[in-house]
Amino acid sequence: AQSVAQPEDQVNVAEGNPLTVKCTYSVSGNPYLFWYVQYPNRGLQFLLKYITGDNLVKGSYGFEAEFNKSQTSFHLKKPSALVSDSALYFCAVRDILTGGGNKLTFGTGTQLKVEL
Amino acid sequence: GAVVSQHPSRVICKSGTSVKIECRSLDFQATTMFWYRQFPKQSLMLMATSNEGSKATYEQGVEKDKFLINHASLTLSTLTVTSAHPEDSSFYICSARTSSGGSYEQYFGPGTRLTVT
Repeated sequence: AQSVAQPEDQVNVAEGNPLTVKCTYSVSGNPYLFWYVQYPNRGLQFLLKYITGDNLVKGSYGFEAEFNKSQTSFHLKKPSALVSDSALYFCAVRDILTGGGNKLTFGTGTQLKVEL
Repeated sequence: GAVVSQHPSRVICKSGTSVKIECRSLDFQATTMFWYRQFPKQSLMLMATSNEGSKATYEQGVEKDKFLINHASLTLSTLTVTSAHPEDSSFYICSARTSSGGSYEQYFGPGTRLTVT
């Protein structure tokens, strides 16, 4: 079975500082990995994905994530945080081997708070 | 591109009534649509997966007779909450996926806030 862990319920960072939101995963085969962002009372917005290729993936709004197979991690990063980045971030995985029936498994979410 | 809409955005209904939520893919054909439920400050829980023209596949613990899903076309799926009760109050989010172009991400709708009184 596939699973995702986001160990931090909340991350606080000052505007202008780099931010990292952690994600680790567990799958039987090779993973498809995704990051989504959710603003209050809104659906999820796609940020970036890793399917294959370069381990460093660049996405929307200046976000990037690094796929680390040995550590089974896919941490989300941004060099300089903005107050407007404050939102709920979800990591998700789909297991290629099992197919997962196209199912995404989501982590529990990390609330990012960027302060002036 | 890849826009998914949901209607209504919020609905309040009385206990015992039924509510229908629509999910539309506006600029692509969605071979597969997913329905999620999200409780406050919690993750998304997959309720069911539907493929156009076939019966939905429900996740364990989800009552298929209570949450009726129809995926009659490549751009529309509906979720009907039958005989709603206050415990059905939640945020319902749909997503859509196309099988073309090697795209693997799901595109999410804006969600529907259901309140059952």
